[in-house]
Amino acid sequence: KNQVEQSPQSLIILEGKNCTLQCNYTVSPFSNLRWYKQDTGRGPVSLTIMTFSENTKSNGRYTATLDADTKQSSLHITASQLSDSASYICVVHQGREYGNKLVFGAGTILRVKS
Amino acid sequence: DGGITQSPKYLFRKEGQNVTLSCEQNLNHDAMYWYRQDPGQGLRLIYYSQIVNDFQKGDIAEGYSVSREKKESFPLTVTSAQKNPTAFYLCASSRTSGAYNEQFFGPGTRLTVL
Repeated sequence: KNQVEQSPQSLIILEGKNCTLQCNYTVSPFSNLRWYKQDTGRGPVSLTIMTFSENTKSNGRYTATLDADTKQSSLHITASQLSDSASYICVVHQGREYGNKLVFGAGTILRVKS
Repeated sequence: DGGITQSPKYLFRKEGQNVTLSCEQNLNHDAMYWYRQDPGQGLRLIYYSQIVNDFQKGDIAEGYSVSREKKESFPLTVTSAQKNPTAFYLCASSRTSGAYNEQFFGPGTRLTVL
């Protein structure tokens, strides 16, 4: 079954600290992997998109890594800020032969406290 | 929210009623999507449209209907046949439905059945 599993389910960190969120997937075939940030009550906003040939991609304080062999990805947040409090969603794209379908993880809820 | 608007933000429905959720985009995107988000679960695809006057069922289309009469608009009707409609509904659009095209999400509509 095509699945995207994220861990932890939720996380609380102090402002200024770093954190890493995990994503494991069993989706096949695989075209690309995306990380989205979703503020409470809002729509998700894209952070990164990585193809299977990319190992890492950064967007400001956000750095995503991908190991296509082990089917694992991580999102590292550096020097966290209160505004980083949100749900972070890992999404795998299956490719055109499977109708360009996206498979969504349930998300990791991050709370940054002062 | 990238040029995608959804209305209303909150919607209350009595059992047995049909309700229509609005989604409009000014990004000149060909593809549009409707997702449902429930607590603790990943987004699930309800319907998608790759071109005007054409749309396809997603994974959970039962109890929902859509139309795509204009490129900018993709309304979703939640019918009385949908047994558990209380959820957060997200509309998205992308330039095309291709693998590397980013999906931009609207702000969402929270539907509650009274």
